[in-house]
Amino acid sequence: GQSLEQPSEVTAVEGAIVQINCTYQTSGFYGLSWYQQHDGGAPTFLSYNALDGLEETGRFSSFLSRSDSYGYLLLQELQMKDSASYFCAVRNSGNTPLVFGKGTRLSVIA
Amino acid sequence: DGGITQSPKYLFRKEGQNVTLSCEQNLNHDAMYWYRQDPGQGLRLIYYSQIVNDFQKGDIAEGYSVSREKKESFPLTVTSAQKNPTAFYLCASSDGTSGYEQYFGPGTRLTVT
Repeated sequence: GQSLEQPSEVTAVEGAIVQINCTYQTSGFYGLSWYQQHDGGAPTFLSYNALDGLEETGRFSSFLSRSDSYGYLLLQELQMKDSASYFCAVRNSGNTPLVFGKGTRLSVIA
Repeated sequence: DGGITQSPKYLFRKEGQNVTLSCEQNLNHDAMYWYRQDPGQGLRLIYYSQIVNDFQKGDIAEGYSVSREKKESFPLTVTSAQKNPTAFYLCASSDGTSGYEQYFGPGTRLTVT
């Protein structure tokens, strides 16, 4: 079977740094994507890691360790607008859709 | 502007009625998807299509049907056989079925009473 595990909720203080973890067990693995979804809105793509290491895009970074079947999303200089749900998703083959985790709800507090 | 549109934003139906949700994209993407999202839950795949006139069942296809007669359009019908149809429905597209970057529409919130 396939499974992705993420914490269901995380709370962090404005201006701080938060890390959202994702561990996966899939039949194949090509890469790990991250999406952000505000309440009532559509998910939007944040990042993709196919190789081990850290990818940085502004305040957001994403990390992958293929040997550990593990990745994380790092959000720096948190802002109130970062309060949202964050989903990891695995690309596990060349012709099947992404498999999404259940999401982590991030609450940024003052 | 390129993107995905879904209509309507909110939809109300009586139990026992079939209802069709619209999804249109002008991104020239081959692959399109339908997801269901329940409160506090992740995205569950209903159906996907890799090419016109072809589609595959996802994890929760029972009670749903789709068609892909045009590249731009991928409508979803929620049939009366779907036992618990009230949910938020999201349509997405990508450049290739395994595309790691999917583009989502704004969603349709369906309420069945």
